Amino acid sequence: DAMVIQNPRYQVTQFGKPVTLSCSQTLNHNVMYWYQQKSSQAPKLLFHYYDKDFNNEADTPDNFQSRRPNTSFCFLDIRSPGLGDAAMYLCATSRDPNGDTQYFGPGTRLTVL
Amino acid sequence: QKEVEQDPGPLSVPEGAIVSLNCTYSNSAFQYFMWYRQYSRKGPELLMYTYSSGNKEDGRFTAQVDKSSKYISLFIRDSQPSDSATYLCAMSARNQGGKLIFGQGTELSVKP
Repeated sequence: DAMVIQNPRYQVTQFGKPVTLSCSQTLNHNVMYWYQQKSSQAPKLLFHYYDKDFNNEADTPDNFQSRRPNTSFCFLDIRSPGLGDAAMYLCATSRDPNGDTQYFGPGTRLTVL
Repeated sequence: QKEVEQDPGPLSVPEGAIVSLNCTYSNSAFQYFMWYRQYSRKGPELLMYTYSSGNKEDGRFTAQVDKSSKYISLFIRDSQPSDSATYLCAMSARNQGGKLIFGQGTELSVKP
């Protein structure tokens, strides 16, 4: 089945220790998104890639970066995680960036000790 | 004021009840409206997608969009315990990179 896969599902890191979250997709979609969802809150867009074009939300902290080495994979790098970065990180994909349906992966739950 | 407002609940109903979930929004540029279901510790799953105003039905689910009132609804008929989840409304405007603006989510519990 075509799908969005996130690894790992659970990640524990120490305060200030860099961490990388992974997303892959078999849908061959052009757009990949990263959302942050804190407990009992709505998902919030961090950034997205339309093909190789990177688009950063204005309020996304500099501590967060992303890479998309090819169509199928996208990575979220958190350079120096703080306690406030503990959250569920959701990857989503869509065919195009104008109103097309977004399909979400299962998420990676990040804990910062 | 948030762009999208959604009553967080929790909402508890008996099995078989009709459930009504609602969101209001302030941005008149929104054209694409979605409802996602999210089970605990899982990613959101798309339930309904509507472009502009109107109704859409899929099985026990009906989505309504009233752009003149900036109000969207999701109705669940014959609710089942397996419908117990958090329901998120989401919407986007054209030429915004597909950025979804989500409501806070309504936590629904359907009791057997």
